[in-house]
This record gives sequence, structure tokens and C-alpha cells, in this order.
Amino acid sequence: QQQVKQSPQSLIVQKGGISIINCAYENTAFDYFPWYQQFPGKGPALLIAIRPDVSEKKEGRFTISFNKSAKQFSLHIMDSQPGDSATYFCAASIRTSGGTSYGKLTFGQGTILTVHP
Amino acid sequence: GAVVSQHPSRVICKSGTSVKIECRSLDFQATTMFWYRQFPKQSLMLMATSNEGSKATYEQGVEKDKFLINHASLTLSTLTVTSAHPEDSSFYICSAKQGYGYTFGSGTRLTVV
Repeated sequence: QQQVKQSPQSLIVQKGGISIINCAYENTAFDYFPWYQQFPGKGPALLIAIRPDVSEKKEGRFTISFNKSAKQFSLHIMDSQPGDSATYFCAASIRTSGGTSYGKLTFGQGTILTVHP
Repeated sequence: GAVVSQHPSRVICKSGTSVKIECRSLDFQATTMFWYRQFPKQSLMLMATSNEGSKATYEQGVEKDKFLINHASLTLSTLTVTSAHPEDSSFYICSAKQGYGYTFGSGTRLTVV
């Protein structure tokens, strides 16, 4: 029930295209859904995050769509660029008791994105 | 923004020796830090959660006597891989929790020869 399932495993997109990565979860207690970008040999960096009280959040070329009833969320990268080539992870976390922060992150399996010039 | 400094970035050690990895929150206090292990082309696997001033909580299957975690201050957590063996070779990443967010270190590539 703690799993977050991510697809696809790998994705190839042409420059200027839209990259879409999907995640699904089972635990309805998850309350925080971030996406991370990781380049080889580096730690993950936060791209964008959403909470279940909104259905969409956009920051620049990156958009999260959230479907609470389906327990799914996705990352859309508009106008994909070669510099976006990286591994992307979705994650989820549960608010701690007291509600002042979140607990440990549960990560998806990762998607290797390649954007061809 | 929040910065987490992790050192060393790369380390090679001989089998049977111990290696210490440091994780520092540079501009904020982190009461909770997390340690992950990542194999090539795989996701991050949580090893343990460390809380300042208390014992770390290890995930199932992680040997606490082999992976020693110390979180002695609000800005520093260390992971010591004791009696390292080639199978411990991996990419180790720390993360510090700040409020509702998490900031990751740049990772440490450990190679045991």
C-alpha cells in the first residue's frame, strides 16, 4: 500500500515535444506529491510538487496534473529540450501526526527521459 | 534556497575498512535527515531516518551495525559504512527535511575494492 508506481520506464521525445510521465498510488493518506529531476552522478532536485486539494499546478514548462479519485498524478514537460534529458522520479509522503511536516518519501521507480535535438 | 552539502562526492576504499560520509544542512536546521542508497538505473532506496539527538530508525533489511548513522547536531548527520565490502559499492544520498520540503545532497559514489 506504500508503493508508488511510475511509468514509463524510459521515454524518448523530440525537441519541442511534450513529455508525459505518470504515477499511481494506493495509500489515500499520501498528502504531498513531489517530482524530482536527477542528472547522472547527482542527487535529486525538486522540480514541482502538489497537494491533493488542487488538480493542477504549473511552473514554467512543468505541469502536474492530479486526479484524486483515480489516485494518479502526472508530470507534463512542455517544449521539451535536450537539457531536460535526465531521470525523473515521482514521490509521495504522508503528513506527520500534528500536521506540521511530512514523513519519509516513497519514490516511484523512475523514468529515464531522452530528448533528441 | 536550502542547501545540503554532502562529502565526499567520491571515495574508493579497500575491503574491510570503514568510510564516513557527511551530510550538512548549510543554511537551515534539519531535525530529520534521511539516507538513501541508489543502484544504477534504479530508484532511491531509503536506508534510515535520523533525528537529531536520537537513534536512527532503519528500514527493514538494512544492517544498523554496518551502516552507522549519527545525527549529533541540527546541521550534521553522518553515515559510516563499517567493514566495507565490494557489495557495499553504491551511490549514497542524504536528504534533509525542512518544514514541508526535502533537500537532497549531491550524493557520494562509494567504490570498495
